[in-house]
Amino acid sequence: EVQLVESGGGLVQPGGSLRLSCAASGFTVSTNYMAWVRQAPGKGLEWVSVIYSDGTTKYADSVKGRFTISRDNSRSTVSLQMNSLRAEDTAVYYCAKGRGNPGCYDYWGQGTLVTVSS
Amino acid sequence: DIQMTQSPSTLSASVGDRVIITCRASQGIGNWLIWYQQKPGKAPKLLIYKASTLENGVPSRFSGSGSGTEFTLTISSLQPDDFATYYCQQYNSYSWTFGQGTKVEIK
Repeated sequence: EVQLVESGGGLVQPGGSLRLSCAASGFTVSTNYMAWVRQAPGKGLEWVSVIYSDGTTKYADSVKGRFTISRDNSRSTVSLQMNSLRAEDTAVYYCAKGRGNPGCYDYWGQGTLVTVSS
Repeated sequence: DIQMTQSPSTLSASVGDRVIITCRASQGIGNWLIWYQQKPGKAPKLLIYKASTLENGVPSRFSGSGSGTEFTLTISSLQPDDFATYYCQQYNSYSWTFGQGTKVEIK
């Protein structure tokens, strides 16, 4: 059974950093593309970042240069390092497993809340 | 970025109703369109991909159609479990973008 479990969310001050982790099971992280998608409170979904099986990464313009996605195949985890956080980064962050053509996500974690506030 | 616009934003319907949600893309995306269902406090659930392909396990009352810039999600007979928010998403090009969502409420 595929499972994705996010952790690492919390309250952080503007300008601070946070590292999110996504523990995957039931499939091989290294052979699938994985992404982070976020949802601000009461708002819609926003794609944040993706990492492909070959290690290629992509980012939304809103986080480029501040966020870094990475993968640890030995631990079956995907991480999102978030630096220079802003109030507008406040959201539930979901980890998602890709399937087929890039951009399609068939399994999602339960999400972890990141709150950026002083 | 490609903008995705859903209509309506909110829809009030009764059990058994036929429900249609529309999604428009700001430029052509072929059939690279996904529909997700999201319930409060839960992660999105994949319903339909490639505009019209039903994900395994999704009830056949859900269907998707369209190509290019106009797409629809149809629920043929609304069930109590279907009251939720529905999002379309294009995966034709970066950044993959979502519609603003359509909330299906009980009438």
